[in-house]
Formats: sequence, C-alpha cells, structure tokens
Amino acid sequence: DAGVTQSPTHLIKTRGQQVTLRCSPKSGHDTVSWYQQALGQGPQFIFQYYEEEERQRGNFPDRFSGHQFPNYSSELNVNALLLGDSALYLCASSSFWTGFSVEQYFGPGTRLTVT
Amino acid sequence: GQSLEQPSEVTAVEGAIVQINCTYQTSGFYGLSWYQQHDGGAPTFLSYNALDGLEETGRFSSFLSRSDSYGYLLLQELQMKDSASYFCAVSENYGQNFVFGPGTRLSVLP
Repeated sequence: DAGVTQSPTHLIKTRGQQVTLRCSPKSGHDTVSWYQQALGQGPQFIFQYYEEEERQRGNFPDRFSGHQFPNYSSELNVNALLLGDSALYLCASSSFWTGFSVEQYFGPGTRLTVT
Repeated sequence: GQSLEQPSEVTAVEGAIVQINCTYQTSGFYGLSWYQQHDGGAPTFLSYNALDGLEETGRFSSFLSRSDSYGYLLLQELQMKDSASYFCAVSENYGQNFVFGPGTRLSVLP
C-alpha cells in the first residue's frame, strides 16, 4: 500500500517564475492538504482540497493555488515566485469522514529553492 | 489569531522519561495533535486529543486540558531513534484550520 507520494523531490526556480508541485494521497484517502515548512519551523497550512474543491485556506496569498483531480491527486501552483517561497512543501492526505484534524499522513515533501 | 508555544529544545538520556509541553491560544478549538519529524523526513502522526485526559499509545502518551489550553506529550523509555523534532498542532475554527507549533527538538543521549 503506497503512502503519500510527491514530485518532484527537489526544484530550483528563479524569482518571478511559476511552479507546480504534485501529490498522490494514500490509498483510501480523499482529502489533500498542503503545507509550507521553512527551515527550523513548523509546517504552515496553505489549503485543503476535497471533492475537487478548495475547502479550507490558511493565510497565504492568491499566488498559491491548487487543484484536485477525480482520482484525489492534487497539484499546488505558485505564481510569481519570491525568494521567501523557498521552503519544503508538504502534502498530507486524510479521510474526510475521519477528519484531517484527527490524523494526517504526510508525503516526503518537495524542496523548492528560489534564486 | 492563534499561537502555540513549545520549548525549543529538550535533552534526555536513553531510558529516561521526557515531557514536552504545549500551550495554545486559539478560537474554535477542535483538538490537539502531536507529530514527530526526523531531520529530512516527513511529519508522522503520534496522537490526537479532543477531550480532556490522557491518551496512551505504547511508549508515548498525550494529555490535554481544554480549560487550561494546555497539553503535553510524554515519551517513556527513551531510545536514540526518538531524537527528532516534535510538533503540537491544533485544529481551530471548528476544524476549518490546522496550526502547527514551532516544534521542540529532542536530543536523546547515550
């Protein structure tokens, strides 16, 4: 049973560019949440997708957008990249009926570096 | 807004017991979770408390006092592999948002 997978593992982009990160949830999960983790800090909630819609959103600008596909996989898009967007981007999956508050399974993350 | 506080670092020896505290200020509190993250790894779920009291899972236990906005993670019989960062996280706004604390780095010495 595959856990949460993310791609790519690492990514280097230039300021102003756009980036797309991908996530496949754990088998049986239908909800995907995205987090940004700066070095030495806790993950920060970006948003959550369920039934192909954004359900919850943290305090992140509109440059951060996402999508969920019918197979529950998800993408995170970041436009007009800033140096401050350099971080580890984590995807977490959960079951809507269990509640993402209760337990989430995290992927290994994508390390984004903006130069 | 919301805030969570945890000690930044804790050091203990193998076989010992350590307690990591977490205090929070939030609205629409829904529950307190704990996650472990090894360097370079993904956070992994340890426990969840929605109601007051102690939850035990093997060597790990977690406690919550909603009236005090306080919880802790208790790790017993420490092993070297327990060296990691530990994050408390609260579900707030009645489950609409999920906020992680700054993390506590635990170092287990031989």
